[in-house]
Amino acid sequence: NAGVTQTPKFQVLKTGQSMTLQCAQDMNHNSMYWYRQDPGMGLRLIYYSASEGTTDKGEVPNGYNVSRLNKREFSLRLESAAPSQTSVYFCASRPGQTYEQYFGPGTRLTVT
Amino acid sequence: RKEVEQDPGPFNVPEGATVAFNCTYSNSASQSFFWYRQDCRKEPKLLMSVYSSGNEDGRFTAQLNRASQYISLLIRDSKLSDSATYLCVVIGLTGGGNKLTFGTGTQLKVEL
Repeated sequence: NAGVTQTPKFQVLKTGQSMTLQCAQDMNHNSMYWYRQDPGMGLRLIYYSASEGTTDKGEVPNGYNVSRLNKREFSLRLESAAPSQTSVYFCASRPGQTYEQYFGPGTRLTVT
Repeated sequence: RKEVEQDPGPFNVPEGATVAFNCTYSNSASQSFFWYRQDCRKEPKLLMSVYSSGNEDGRFTAQLNRASQYISLLIRDSKLSDSATYLCVVIGLTGGGNKLTFGTGTQLKVEL
């Protein structure tokens, strides 16, 4: 099992460019999440999907959109990147019966 | 006041020492608590859950004090490999277990 995978690992964007961060899990988990991690801020939830076909906003959803493509895949899109979106982005998944979340390796995004 | 607060450290301890971290939370209705470990430039991984009765796993002991609204993590006989950032995680009553609140982490450095 690969667990939770994310692509790309690193990305540099110019202000105003768009991109999609990809996440996939092979553990048959129902719930998936996108977080961002900034120094001194802890991990903050951007969006989550409790099950295939549903998505909900987290703490910091502005500037982002998500798609739960199927049970395995949950993508995060930045339509018009801003320097404030420079961060490390983590995808996570969770089986229904526990609260433990399994994280992917992260995407380091820099917006100039 | 932040929902979850941790001393950022770093805690510099010699190998073999015992070290303890606390984490305070502001929402008295919080229902579940965890410690995650995050190595430098890596993803967070679950270290242990925190139960009302306390929880011990080898050299690690986690405790919950609901009256004072804090959780603690005790590491005995510290190893060099324990060097990492320890994240406190709290889950509230709302959100169906989907909304984890992360502390900013306490950095531990174990030295020879």
